[in-house]
Amino acid sequence: DAMVIQNPRYQVTQFGKPVTLSCSQTLNHNVMYWYQQKSSQAPKLLFHYYDKDFNNEADTPDNFQSRRPNTSFCFLDIRSPGLGDAAMYLCATSRDRTSEGEQFFGPGTRLTVL
Amino acid sequence: AQTVTQSQPEMSVQEAETVTLSCTYDTSENNYYLFWYKQPPSRQMILVIRQEAYKQQNATENRFSVNFQKAAKSFSLKISDSQLGDTAMYFCAFKSGATNKLIFGTGTLLAVQP
Repeated sequence: DAMVIQNPRYQVTQFGKPVTLSCSQTLNHNVMYWYQQKSSQAPKLLFHYYDKDFNNEADTPDNFQSRRPNTSFCFLDIRSPGLGDAAMYLCATSRDRTSEGEQFFGPGTRLTVL
Repeated sequence: AQTVTQSQPEMSVQEAETVTLSCTYDTSENNYYLFWYKQPPSRQMILVIRQEAYKQQNATENRFSVNFQKAAKSFSLKISDSQLGDTAMYFCAFKSGATNKLIFGTGTLLAVQP
């Protein structure tokens, strides 16, 4: 089945230790998104890639970076995680950037910062 | 800026009963899309139903239907014949016709009781 896969499902890191979260997709979609979802809150868009074109949200901290080496994979790098970065990180894809396009979500990676 | 409001943090319904989840939004645009997403415990978010703002007819997907009131900026979700598998967090989301950014409400946690 075509899907959005996130690894790992659970990640524990130490305060200030860089961490990378992974997302892959078999849908061959052009757009990949990263959302941060804190407990009992709505998902918040961090950035997205349209093909290789990177689009950062204005309020995304510099501590968060992303890489998309090819169509299938996208990575979220947190350079120096703080306690406030503990959250669920959701990857999503869409075929294109049209407004009616559905976004398909992965299961998420729950990040714990010690 | 667009906002999405879900005023019911938690709701409970008996199996086989009907429940309605509320959502209001604020926008000055005329062309937009509205979505309800379901996020079961520890599972990925999936699209439940979608409504195009230019369509007057309310969207329906099997047991799920919406009541879209454009003038009132209201977009409620009705779940008929509730099933235990409907237990999940439900997010209302807005997407502008001008961008591909999804704006989520804070969610309603629905518990279906046997």
